[in-house]
Formats: sequence, structure tokens, C-alpha cells
Amino acid sequence: GQQLNQSPQSMFIQEGEDVSMNCTSSSIFNTWLWYKQDPGEGPVLLIALYKAGELTSNGRLTAQFGITRKDSFLNISASIPSDVGIYFCAGQPRSNTGNQFYFGTGTSLTVIP
Amino acid sequence: DTGVSQDPRHKITKRGQNVTFRCDPISEHNRLYWYRQTLGQGPEFLTYFQNEAQLEKSRLLSDRFSAERPKGSFSTLEIQRTEQGDSAMYLCASSFLTLWETQYFGPGTRLLVL
Repeated sequence: GQQLNQSPQSMFIQEGEDVSMNCTSSSIFNTWLWYKQDPGEGPVLLIALYKAGELTSNGRLTAQFGITRKDSFLNISASIPSDVGIYFCAGQPRSNTGNQFYFGTGTSLTVIP
Repeated sequence: DTGVSQDPRHKITKRGQNVTFRCDPISEHNRLYWYRQTLGQGPEFLTYFQNEAQLEKSRLLSDRFSAERPKGSFSTLEIQRTEQGDSAMYLCASSFLTLWETQYFGPGTRLLVL
């Protein structure tokens, strides 16, 4: 399967700080998505990106579809305690004719009040 | 709330037993997906349905796994002769056909095989 590398693996930040994380692949992707997962729950879709260079915001969250189509970035501004969770990138490779996503291994975010 | 629901939320079983999970998607959604998630990993695609037709299956879906969506509404995932390696969170998601990338996940069923 496709390998999606997420970085960093975990983050410990102070409340109010901004957060940046990224996701990279060795192959070109058609679609990038960012999900947040709380413990014991299913992932919740945060942002979907469909075109190279696209920059999309959802409240304090901003995500970008990398120009090379092999990466994507998620930023969270002014973090708050409820931002705690695991953030997953997911995408559909251009080479994939089917309708399935590959997920990254996640970035665990801890926000210290 | 009319989100995706899954039942049961937790299941403990002994190795060799069969288990069945149910997923009720968002009612207007044509597509329904099953994923498996192990600890510390992202979800892995297993299979998906468009209405009642099962259109794609992952290599992860061994012959001990079978999924159905008989009336194009709810779906069941059955694992026969469970093995300890089947212990995982089984997630269901649903979407519209035209916006299939926008998938809404259920809370998952956590399976523990002893």
C-alpha cells in the first residue's frame, strides 16, 4: 500500500501556541484530507483539498495541498485544550483507479493549559 | 442526530469464534466503507459498497471476512474463526456518490480476541 509519512509523530504545546504538521508521500496524490480522532471515536473530517496549491481554512485550521502534489500541511492557530487528539492525513493516489484512501500514521497533539 | 452509527461499540470474543458488526450509515448516502484501525496506526481500507453492490475489496480482507449491504442501507461485517491478529477497531464510514472523498465515520467497534 501507499506510505504516508506524518511529521511530527507527537507534539506537546502550550495553550495559545500555533501548530504545524505535515504529510508526505513518495507518489502524487489527487486528493488530500485531514481528520481528527479523539480516543475511542471515529475520525472526523476537518478539511478536504482537491487541487495542487489549494489553501483552505476551517476556523482556526488551515490546510494546504502541496504544489508537488506529494505533500500537505495543516496549521492550527491559537491552540486550545479541545484541540487535543490525533490528526491524520489521508489521500487518494493518482495511480489508484479505485475509490479508497490511504491514511498516515497520525500526529498526536497534546495542549497544555 | 443522524450520523453513522455502529453496533456494538465493544466486543470481546475467544479465538475461533465468529463475530458480526453492524453499521448504519447516514440515510441519504449511497456509499458505505469499512476500515480497520490498529493501535498507533491510521485506518486501513477494507471494502466499500455503492448501494448494495460491493465494488472494491482490499487484500486485507481475507476469506474469513465477509461484508454485506443487502438493501443498500445498513451493512454487516462478519469475521469467521477469529484470530488474535483480528483485534482492532473496525470503522464504518459513508458518503454520497458524487462527493465520495467526504466520508463521515462512525464511532467504531473495538474488537478484542482473546
